[in-house]
Amino acid sequence: DGGITQSPKYLFRKEGQNVTLSCEQNLNHDAMYWYRQDPGQGLRLIYYSQIVNDFQKGDIAEGYSVSREKKESFPLTVTSAQKNPTAFYLCASSRRPSGELFFGEGSRLTVL
Amino acid sequence: KNEVEQSPQNLTAQEGEFITINCSYSVGISALHWLQQHPGGGIVSLFMLSSGKKKHGRLIATINIQEKHSSLHITASHPRDSAVYICAVPYTGNQFYFGTGTSLTVIP
Repeated sequence: DGGITQSPKYLFRKEGQNVTLSCEQNLNHDAMYWYRQDPGQGLRLIYYSQIVNDFQKGDIAEGYSVSREKKESFPLTVTSAQKNPTAFYLCASSRRPSGELFFGEGSRLTVL
Repeated sequence: KNEVEQSPQNLTAQEGEFITINCSYSVGISALHWLQQHPGGGIVSLFMLSSGKKKHGRLIATINIQEKHSSLHITASHPRDSAVYICAVPYTGNQFYFGTGTSLTVIP
């Protein structure tokens, strides 16, 4: 079945550590996105990529980094520079800009 | 000011009731999306519509482009409909404004 797979589902990290969240899709979608979700707020865009080897900063990119070396994969690294990283992270993809969004199950990061 | 406003924020209904969730937006759009987020956190796309009405099972979505307003209706609500419903509109071609969501609880 086609879809988006995020891992890990839950992740605990100590302050000062970098962590990488995985996002893989087999939908053959060009566009991929990373969103952050905090209680009471709408989804906020961290980074997006429209094509391999190209990505753009979203509204809250500071403290995060991404890569897009393969069409199927769009990993997100939460660096130690991110001041408040505890949140729920969602990866999504779409076939075309502004098209139907397909989401992964999310990764919940907790900083201890 | 939020570009996408949803109401109500929270909604509790008895099983079988007809439910309406509203979404108003302030930007020009090509299409509006309705999403459903289950308690586990995963999100699924319910509708993408640019005009008129769409129906899928017990769910109906309508949009009025002139009034910049969309509604999501659930007929004969069921406890499994309990979820957060999110409205989203695209902008700049590849980004979206998201509403903060409507949390629906359907009581048996």
